[in-house]
Formats: sequence, structure tokens, C-alpha cells
Amino acid sequence: DAGVTQSPTHLIKTRGQQVTLRCSPISGHKSVSWYQQVLGQGPQFIFQYYEKEERGRGNFPDRFSARQFPNYSSELNVNALLLGDSALYLCASSRGVSYNSPLHFGNGTRLTVT
Amino acid sequence: GQQVMQIPQYQHVQEGEDFTTYCNSSTTLSNIQWYKQRPGGHPVFLIQLVKSGEVKKQKRLTFQFGEAKKNSSLHITATQTTDVGTYFCTSGGANNLFFGTGTRLTVIP
Repeated sequence: DAGVTQSPTHLIKTRGQQVTLRCSPISGHKSVSWYQQVLGQGPQFIFQYYEKEERGRGNFPDRFSARQFPNYSSELNVNALLLGDSALYLCASSRGVSYNSPLHFGNGTRLTVT
Repeated sequence: GQQVMQIPQYQHVQEGEDFTTYCNSSTTLSNIQWYKQRPGGHPVFLIQLVKSGEVKKQKRLTFQFGEAKKNSSLHITATQTTDVGTYFCTSGGANNLFFGTGTRLTVIP
């Protein structure tokens, strides 16, 4: 079975631009979570979606938004990019809600904001 | 949300030495998960602990959940160079999962 796939793998944007990151979960997984990982730090929770509904949101500004589609794939959108948004964005899927189901991570999208 | 602290932040060991990382929470945890992230890689799930005082083993790795469900530990016996990476514990509620600060392990051959 294919693992979690994310696209693109790398992205370079300038300040003020908008970006959309995509994630396809493992087949059969209904939950997708998004994390931001700055170099040298642990993953920071952004969103969790389960059955196409937002179930949890971390401490991120409204510039960050996401959605989950009927096929359980997901998109993360970031508007008005700041230099501080440069990070590895990780998507993880799980069968159920994340606190009780192991997360399976994709390889991430490396976003650089210049 | 719930936050967990891990100690130490960094650990350098000679290959063959043992290694332990500790995870501490100020609140009772419903369960705890452990992940390993190799340099340049993504976090990979290792194990989930649910019961008070639970101990689980995976080959050279031993995981413990405290009696009060406020702390956990990961112990690696006789480290190998393949153990290099950052080890994270997690905490969460119904709709989120927060990663701890992590312990970065370096194994010197």
C-alpha cells in the first residue's frame, strides 16, 4: 500500500504570497493532521481533520486554513506568507482521531519564504 | 493544549552504551505515543502506551508509562548507529496530538 504522499516536495515563495500544500492519506485512513516543523524543533500541531470536518486546531493564525475532501485527501493553505513560515510542513494520516491512533507521516513539503 | 517536556534535549553516547529519554507532563495523560525522526526524515511511530505502569519492549527498546500517567520513558540498551535520531513523546486530547520537545540522540561509533 502507498504511504502518505505530499506535494510538492519543495517550494519557494516570496513574502505576501499564498501557498497550497497537498496531502493524500493512506487508503482507509479518514483522519489527516498537519504539522509545521521548524529546523531543530519538534512538529507543531496545526490542524486535524476527520471525516471532512475540522476537529482540532493548534495555535496558528487565521492565515492558515485547511480542508479535507470526500476522498479524504487534504489541502493546507497559507496566505500572506511571512519569512517565519519557512519550515517543513508534515501531513499525517490515521485511521481514527490522532490521540488514539498512530500517525503515519508523509515526507513533507519544504517551504522557503524569501 | 497539553504539553510534555523531554529530557535531556541532547544526548551523545558511545556505541554500545545505554540511552534513556524521559517525558514529563504536568497533567494526567490519556495515553502516550513515541515517535522517532531520523535526520532529514519524518517522524515514525514506535509505540503507544495506555495503561498506568505499562511496560512494552521492542527488541532493544523499552517503553514505560508512569503509574500516575504523567511521565514516560524510553530506554535503549546497547545503542547502535542506527538508533541516531530525535525521539519524541506526544500528548493529546480528542482532536489533537502535541509533540514533546524531543531528545536528539547521537551515537559515536
